[in-house]
Amino acid sequence: KQEVTQIPAALSVPEGENLVLNCSFTDSAIYNLQWFRQDPGKGLTSLLLIQSSQREQTSGRLNASLDKSSGRSTLYIAASQPGDSATYLCAVPNYGGATNKLIFGTGTLLAVQP
Amino acid sequence: DGGITQSPKYLFRKEGQNVTLSCEQNLNHDAMYWYRQDPGQGLRLIYYSQIVNDFQKGDIAEGYSVSREKKESFPLTVTSAQKNPTAFYLCASEAGAEGYTFGSGTRLTVV
Repeated sequence: KQEVTQIPAALSVPEGENLVLNCSFTDSAIYNLQWFRQDPGKGLTSLLLIQSSQREQTSGRLNASLDKSSGRSTLYIAASQPGDSATYLCAVPNYGGATNKLIFGTGTLLAVQP
Repeated sequence: DGGITQSPKYLFRKEGQNVTLSCEQNLNHDAMYWYRQDPGQGLRLIYYSQIVNDFQKGDIAEGYSVSREKKESFPLTVTSAQKNPTAFYLCASEAGAEGYTFGSGTRLTVV
């Protein structure tokens, strides 16, 4: 059974810092891995999607890496801003499982202090 | 712009009443999903549909029903059998190479 965990559970940093969010998964046979952010009371916004054959993806100040063999992904945020404050979720699809769904990580609550 | 539209944003249900949440997508995705999120908790799958006229129960389907008559639409009905319907409901669509796209959510409250 695939399990996805994220550390840290919460993170508070001053504006301008570079930071790394971690995501671990137990079954390395993944199709892809997706990073989302969720603002309070809002839906999920997709940040980056990494296919299983890729090692990293970049979008602006965000860079996500994937190491399937070790069951890990990291989300790197450069020059953090107060607007980056949100909950960050990683997720992998459970294709071929009992139900076809996304398996979400436990989330990292990020607060960037001005 | 392509995306998913959920309506209404807020919905209030009286005891014993059925309510329907709307989800429409113009991404041309075959697969669509309904998730429920409770405060401080993760997302739980209610129902999903991989193709028109077909849908499957997720992990917490009791008290809910869906239909998939058109590719673009996947409405969710919260029936009176759902004893604790107050939650935030999220609809998503998916195409393997594009990943998942989520709507902005509907907050349902029992009054």
